[in-house]
Amino acid sequence: DAKTTQPTSMDCAEGRAANLPCNHSTISGNEYVYWYRQIHSQGPQYIIHGLKNNETNEMASLIITEDRKSSTLILPHATLRDTAVYYCIVVSSYDKVIFGPGTSLSVIP
Amino acid sequence: DTGVSQDPRHKITKRGQNVTFRCDPISEHNRLYWYRQTLGQGPEFLTYFQNEAQLEKSRLLSDRFSAERPKGSFSTLEIQRTEQGDSAMYLCASSLGGGGYQETQYFGPGTRLLVL
Repeated sequence: DAKTTQPTSMDCAEGRAANLPCNHSTISGNEYVYWYRQIHSQGPQYIIHGLKNNETNEMASLIITEDRKSSTLILPHATLRDTAVYYCIVVSSYDKVIFGPGTSLSVIP
Repeated sequence: DTGVSQDPRHKITKRGQNVTFRCDPISEHNRLYWYRQTLGQGPEFLTYFQNEAQLEKSRLLSDRFSAERPKGSFSTLEIQRTEQGDSAMYLCASSLGGGGYQETQYFGPGTRLLVL
């Protein structure tokens, strides 16, 4: 079973920040938080990952709470091309990725 | 393009036929994973290779499924005697692992299989 819970769906206005929450209350010390997204009919695309510190790259920012039991993926300026299913995953190296149903993000013009 | 590639991208077959899919991982990635995704669900793990060794298989991988990675580079996934329930997207991912650091899996575009 997936070790994370996410809202089923979310809407975001184009140009605004999209904040996608994820709960992972049973995360263990050696597990990382990963985010992938999947645009319709394509393979999952890696976005970002982190262990305990906040992370930022060209695509997004990842905010992890101090107790590591939850995190938020932030897309700073959502565009229509960001419409996708976003998966929050906890995984240690090495391990297979166990996907939950994810959050379906709709960016609205 | 130096990402993970999969071939074919789409396959339509009749029930009972055999099909084979190919995955080319990112160059020098020693780990390769196969996943299956049905409509409306997240991908599900099928099997995993480190170099040429198949190290783990999911219970989802029935006897009709076989995967190989003969030279530790590309991999093939074969489904024998296909059934309509095999209709799904088959995803391949690769990673560079074993160096004591966190590895990231990168996914290919998938092969979409339709069994009639």
